Amino acid sequence: SAVISQKPSRDICQRGTSLTIQCQVDSQVTMMFWYRQQPGQSLTLIATANQGSEATYESGFVIDKFPISRPNLTFSTLTVSNMSPEDSSIYLCSVELLPGQGIYGYTFGSGTRLTVV
Amino acid sequence: AQSVTQLDSHVSVSEGTPVLLRCNYSSSYSPSLFWYVQHPNKGLQLLLKYTSAATLVKGINGFEAEFKKSETSFHLTKPSAHMSDAAEYFCVVSETSNTGKLIFGQGTTLQVKP
Repeated sequence: SAVISQKPSRDICQRGTSLTIQCQVDSQVTMMFWYRQQPGQSLTLIATANQGSEATYESGFVIDKFPISRPNLTFSTLTVSNMSPEDSSIYLCSVELLPGQGIYGYTFGSGTRLTVV
Repeated sequence: AQSVTQLDSHVSVSEGTPVLLRCNYSSSYSPSLFWYVQHPNKGLQLLLKYTSAATLVKGINGFEAEFKKSETSFHLTKPSAHMSDAAEYFCVVSETSNTGKLIFGQGTTLQVKP
């Protein structure tokens, strides 16, 4: 099945700084998704990243705060900008697997656990 | 708009007894439904999915779920709980086809007592 490598796995950052999270997939995928999981909460979709076009953001998330790049069909980055303690969360990337790539459905990276101090 | 409600935030069972995690959904379309498991400090793992084929879906690790349209439910069951099943479980509905947006329930923490 397709493997997603996400890094860093965790980081502790100072408020006001930015962190870029990378997501690498070993198969070509059309759509990649970025989710946030706040402490003790469920997952919320931040945005959908399609190769060759601007990311589509969900309500409550804006490009200035969470810029996304999608330079090719196997890679994407999410940047958390001008961080505050409220940004402390787990950030996960996800892709949709198609028949032949493994279990048909959505698979997730192992996540980036971000703590802002 | 789609939504999903997990009826129990916390479920506690004894090892070897059945597991029932309840999930109700709301959808204007024929939904795709999933159950994911998240072990502490681990990533999300897909347990099973329903995509309008058989209403009884078998997943990994002995879990299964039954899609009941009349009850708008997709409850997760396992005949006999194992200590390693202790984790957070998420019921998930996929929004209209081709958007890829997943809507997560709030999660159910499964505790398995020896």
